[in-house]
Formats: sequence, C-alpha cells, structure tokens
Amino acid sequence: DTGVSQDPRHKITKRGQNVTFRCDPISEHNRLYWYRQTLGQGPEFLTYFQNEAQLEKSRLLSDRFSAERPKGSFSTLEIQRTEQGDSAMYLCASRAGTGAYEQYFGPGTRLTVT
Amino acid sequence: GENVEQHPSTLSVQEGDSAVIKCTYSDSASNYFPWYKQELGKGPQLIIDIRSNVGEKKDQRIAVTLNKTAKHFSLHITETQPEDSAVYFCAARDSGGYQKVTFGTGTKLQVIP
Repeated sequence: DTGVSQDPRHKITKRGQNVTFRCDPISEHNRLYWYRQTLGQGPEFLTYFQNEAQLEKSRLLSDRFSAERPKGSFSTLEIQRTEQGDSAMYLCASRAGTGAYEQYFGPGTRLTVT
Repeated sequence: GENVEQHPSTLSVQEGDSAVIKCTYSDSASNYFPWYKQELGKGPQLIIDIRSNVGEKKDQRIAVTLNKTAKHFSLHITETQPEDSAVYFCAARDSGGYQKVTFGTGTKLQVIP
C-alpha cells in the first residue's frame, strides 16, 4: 500500500508531557499538510510544507507545537507540555506537485491527554 | 479566509433511496471543491471532487454539482447502500496561501437496510 501512513495510531499521555507524531506521505508527493480534527468537527489546517520548507502555519499552531520535514520526505509534529485541549485526531495529508489539487489523508493519530 | 457551511448535520435514508448534502462557501475565488468520506476511526477518504470550470461531475452512484454564482455545491448519492453510512465532509480550496482546504462541519449519513 502506497498511501499516507501515520505513526502512532493512538497516543495516551499525561498533561505536561511531550509527544511526537510521524507522517510518511505518498512517495514523490512534495506537498504535505497537517490538520487537527476534534470530535464532531471537520479537519482544521495546522501547517503546510513544500519539500522541506514550512511555508504556512495556522494561528491554531501555538508555540508549543512544532513541525519539521527535514529531508522533504517524512514529517514530524511535536507538541510540548501537552494540555487536555490538545486531545484530538491529528491528520496528515499529501499532495503531488503543481497542478495536482487532490489531498490524500492518512489514518490519523488519535491523541488523548489525561 | 474561506468559510464553508454544510447541511444537514445528520441524514437518515432507506437503502436504495437517494441522499443529498449541500454546502456553501464564502470565497468567490475558490476553484476546487473536494468531498471526503470518513468512517469511524479512519482518516478522510477523497471520494469525488470538482473544479470551478465544471458544473457537474459523476462517478458511478455519486455526483457533485457546483453553482458558482450562488457559491454552493452539493453531493448526490443514488441507490444508497449500508456501506455508504459514514460522515461526509465538503471542502473548498482557499484561493490564497498554499491550497489548504477548509472543511465543512460534516454530515452523518445513516443508510437503513
């Protein structure tokens, strides 16, 4: 299967701990997006990468959040000092280059902060 | 930024009937409108999309229509089956930025056998 993969699928952590999620996009997709989805809502944009460059960040991405895509392939999303309000599904999507509009999502990482 | 409204929030239909979900968007410059199906515990799956230079697109039992003047678009599912039960999201691509999409709030479709 050559779809978008995310790891871990589920993460339970205590408030104040740091967590890191990984996303592997579809190979040769150089555009990568992170979204957050809370219960009963649609996904909300967090940040965007084109190759290794982080080109856009949402206001939702507080200074406790950081994302990287060091080699333009996989990406990581780290949340420091987690809060209960961070509990959500974190989704990654990838898109091919110029002219390709379709974004393909991974299965998500479900974060629960206790 | 873009704002997408979606209704109804829940929809129950009998198997074999049609289902229609409607969305409106705010940015007249938006030019791409995907629809996603999300099953419990899974990521959104792209099921159909339409670009602004097209008024209608069909793929087997699903179709999408777009009215640019009114800034609304709709998903039509015919001959519904129990496996169509899921949450459906409409979305619109922002005209600015880097093609992020703004999602509606979702429609939970239940197909009753």
